[in-house]
Amino acid sequence: GDSVTQMEGPVTLSEEAFLTINCTYTATGYPSLFWYVQYPGEGLQLLLKATKADDKGSNKGFEATYRKETTSFHLEKGSVQVSDSAVYFCALRGNNFNKFYFGSGTKLNVKP
Amino acid sequence: DTAVSQTPKYLVTQMGNDKSIKCEQNLGHDTMYWYKQDSKKFLKIMFSYNNKELIINETVPNRFSPKSPDKAHLNLHINSLELGDSAVYFCASSQDRLVGDGYTFGSGTRLTVV
Repeated sequence: GDSVTQMEGPVTLSEEAFLTINCTYTATGYPSLFWYVQYPGEGLQLLLKATKADDKGSNKGFEATYRKETTSFHLEKGSVQVSDSAVYFCALRGNNFNKFYFGSGTKLNVKP
Repeated sequence: DTAVSQTPKYLVTQMGNDKSIKCEQNLGHDTMYWYKQDSKKFLKIMFSYNNKELIINETVPNRFSPKSPDKAHLNLHINSLELGDSAVYFCASSQDRLVGDGYTFGSGTRLTVV
């Protein structure tokens, strides 16, 4: 079945460091891919998405490229800030449109 | 103006009690969901309604009963609460059942069963 695997956290970085959070997926056909962010005490917010191979989603300095050949959708940011500290979820919308699959979340801690 | 609002934000109750969580969305979306997030942040879908019709009913104890009086509201009633029900419950909505633009989530209800 469809699934998403993302790197375990926590990830701890200093401010202005480069961020990569790995996400790989298993799916039949052509899924859509998403990154969500959950700040402490809040619900998940959509960060970015990509709907087809080679698409790049971007928002707030974060980017992720849909790579079908490696079944990956890694999240990157060139220079993280303390305010980026949160839990990041990779997610997939599969061919069964009613079903959405979330990864287990990766906690990011950014230190000043 | 909150898009998806759920109440209460915190709920502490004793084992065996019955409780309800309410959710409302003002986005005009057709589809609403309940998700459970455990202590390790793992998210699991519980139910989904599309225009008041139940379309997803995952393996959830029948002590959990969703109700959707109209497409803007989806409530969750839990009977005979157990310790293992302690979690954060998120309501979410999407434009339609295709979920092309992803979900909009509420801020969660932290349920603690003691």
